[in-house]
This record gives sequence, C-alpha cells and structure tokens, in this order.
Amino acid sequence: AQKVTQAQTEISVVEKEDVTLDCVYETRDTTYYLFWYKQPPSGELVFLIRRNSFDEQNEISGRYSWNFQKSTSSFNFTITASQVVDSAVYFCALSEHRGGSEKLVFGKGTKLTVNP
Amino acid sequence: DTEVTQTPKHLVMGMTNKKSLKCEQHMGHRAMYWYKQKAKKPPELMFVYSYEKLSINESVPSRFSPECPNSSLLNLHLHALQPEDSALYLCASSQGNSGTDTQYFGPGTRLTVL
Repeated sequence: AQKVTQAQTEISVVEKEDVTLDCVYETRDTTYYLFWYKQPPSGELVFLIRRNSFDEQNEISGRYSWNFQKSTSSFNFTITASQVVDSAVYFCALSEHRGGSEKLVFGKGTKLTVNP
Repeated sequence: DTEVTQTPKHLVMGMTNKKSLKCEQHMGHRAMYWYKQKAKKPPELMFVYSYEKLSINESVPSRFSPECPNSSLLNLHLHALQPEDSALYLCASSQGNSGTDTQYFGPGTRLTVL
C-alpha cells in the first residue's frame, strides 16, 4: 500500500531562516506523482507542486525549492528566507490509482510556524 | 483561473436536521471530490465523481449522500449526523481522474453538529 511519512510534526523558525520539510514515501508503482499542498489557518488547501516519478530534476519557484530523490524515496521541500506568511500546515501527497480513479494519499502534515 | 467555490462557509446543525453542502467549479474539470478533515489530521477522501458518475465511495456512512447534477456542481446531502461528524469538508476538482491531474481544493465548509 502507498504511504507518505512526514516525520516532522511541528517546526518553529524565526523569519528569514531557511527551513526544510521532509517527505518520505512508499509505493510499488513505477509511475506515480508526488504533490505538496499548503494549508493556511483559513483552511483552503493550496497546490504548490506536482512531480512525476520520471522527472528527478530539482525545482525552484521563488523562495520555494523541491528536492526529489528516487534513491531514497524522498521529496523534500525547502523554504528560503522564511516569512510570517509561510506559517501553515504543509502536506506531502502521493497519487494512488484505484478503481479507475486516482486517490491522493496524504502525509500527516508538518505545521510550520514562522515567528517575526 | 483555478477556483473551486464552496457554500456555506460555516454550518451548524442539529442531529435531526437535513442540510446540503454545495461545491462549484468552472474550470471544465471532469472529476470532483469530497474530503473530510478533522482537526490536526490530513484530509480523508470520501467520494470521487468522474464524468458525473460515482467512481469511489470510501465506505462512507449513508447519512452522507453525494450528488453530481452536472460536471460543474457537486453536492453533499447531510441527514441525521452525529457530533463526531463535525469537521472541515473540502471539495476538490481535477481535469480528469488520472494521476497526472492536480486536484484543486475549495476553501471548505466548517460543519458543527450539535
């Protein structure tokens, strides 16, 4: 069965620090997709990135970067120069194909608090 | 424009009430989803509609009844709920039901059952 582990339950940093959120996954599929979502206190899940299993290139988007390593089944997320607005719960997710539809398997989430 | 709307934002209901949650998307997506999220937990999938047909039901109790009147609309009818059903209910949509398709979420409905 698919599984996503986010070992860090809560992280607290001071503004402008860099922070890395870890995500480790388990799957038997050779083709799969990984996602990161952000959930601020308002509740909406905001899509950040999708990565397929054949693309191991790291990605950078502004202050956000992602490191995908198939060899260690990890898909880590780094925020550079964190800001208070980055405070949220971050979920890593893995796609699972079931019954003709795709299901997202979520990790338990990491709550990030950025203090001024 | 990646927007999924949900109404109402907040709902308080008694255990004998009947209410409905509504979700709408105008992105031309053909798959829509209902999730339930308890505090400090990840979202849990409840139902998936693909091309207006129910494709996944995660063994959800019958007091929750989904309905997909058309490809843009998804409803969740609630009847005889229990206090433990209090949660954030999230709707999502994706272009299709393939793993290549990103799910976009609405802002959710915070439900309290008294």
